[in-house]
Parts: sequence; C-alpha cells; structure tokens
Amino acid sequence: DAKTTQPTSMDCAEGRAANLPCNHSTISGNEYVYWYRQIHSQGPQYIIHGLKNNETNEMASLIITEDRKSSTLILPHATLRDTAVYYCIVRVYGGSQGNLIFGKGTKLSVKP
Amino acid sequence: DAGVIQSPRHEVTEMGQEVTLRCKPISGHNSLFWYRQTMMRGLELLIYFNNNVPIDDSGMPEDRFSAKMPNASFSTLKIQPSEPRDSAVYFCASSHDRGGNQPQHFGDGTRLSIL
Repeated sequence: DAKTTQPTSMDCAEGRAANLPCNHSTISGNEYVYWYRQIHSQGPQYIIHGLKNNETNEMASLIITEDRKSSTLILPHATLRDTAVYYCIVRVYGGSQGNLIFGKGTKLSVKP
Repeated sequence: DAGVIQSPRHEVTEMGQEVTLRCKPISGHNSLFWYRQTMMRGLELLIYFNNNVPIDDSGMPEDRFSAKMPNASFSTLKIQPSEPRDSAVYFCASSHDRGGNQPQHFGDGTRLSIL
C-alpha cells in the first residue's frame, strides 16, 4: 500500500474549521483514502473515506485533489472534543481486509 | 447500536501468566481484526479473521500469541506465557466484508500491563 505523509501536529481555534492535509503521492488507482481519529484512551474512530470524488458526512468533508496525490480532511466547526490524533490511510479496494496501516498521524489540538 | 465490545478494559498480571483478551464484534460484521498499540511501534495489525477463519496472522509476534474465533460473535487473543514486552493496548475491530472498502470499527481496547 502507498504511504502517507501528515504534519506531526496542528492547532485550531474552537469554532473554526480544521483542515488536515495528507500527501499520498504514490497512491494507486485502486486505493481509497481513509481517515480515522483516535481520542486519548479510546479506540480509533472511522471518520470518512473516498476514492476520487469529494465526500461529506455528518462528521467531516474529504477533499481529494484531481491527481489524487493529496487530500484534506475538513472539520467544519471544530470543538474541544475534536482534539485527537488523525490518521490518513490509503488502502486497496477489494484487497486484503487487513491492509489498514496506521502511520503516526497528526495530533490536532483544538483550543478555546 | 452496540459497538465492538472488549474485555477486560485493563489487565495487570505477572510475567509468565496466561492472558486472555476477549472481543465481541458488531452484530452482522463478518471480519474481525486484532491490533496492538505501543508508543514505540504505533498501531499494528496482529491477525484478522473473515467468516471466523484466520486469513492473515503474519503480524502475530511469536508462538506465545494465539487467536481464535469459535463463532461469529466472539474472539479471543491469548498470550502464554506473557512477558513484560507484551505490555500494550490491544484493540479489536470488525467490519462488513462487502467489496473490500468497508470501514473497520474499533473497540476501546484492553490496556495490558505485564509486570
């Protein structure tokens, strides 16, 4: 699976949009982009995933560039409870279910 | 809906003892995963099952580790004998195996300390 690159940490003011970038320059055509987050002492939580079109759900929006080499997770109105480590993962569609490889992620701190 | 349920939440035991971690996946999910998380190595996949059958156990660190899934609603991860370096948080996750792009849903983990 392709590797991803994320900033180590980011800060965001409460109520503002949090934009978390991810580079996946070697992504293959059959690989999806997944986002998970892990709040302290809890298990990873699925947020959103996409292939090439932008996606939105009740938690976040996922913007994937046209060349698919990078993406941005957007939390439209960050709250203190969004403070967590956010993981960007690429995974083969239809491939082994086990191919969910977590990197170090981005530690997002939402501040009042 | 109930999520993935793991027990115990915390386990402290002495080295050499047998440790059994338990997981109940989300009802209707047919894939189950065991992960281990440490500060040094992050989150690593140990083994995963599909329809109760182990598919990939290449992440299992050594023979002291074993995992079973006797039915669709229960799995165990056993360490025997346990060692201090096994101390970590162990997560179980499950998913629907439809087309291979379904997200995995995680439990809150078992924090294991081997003294």
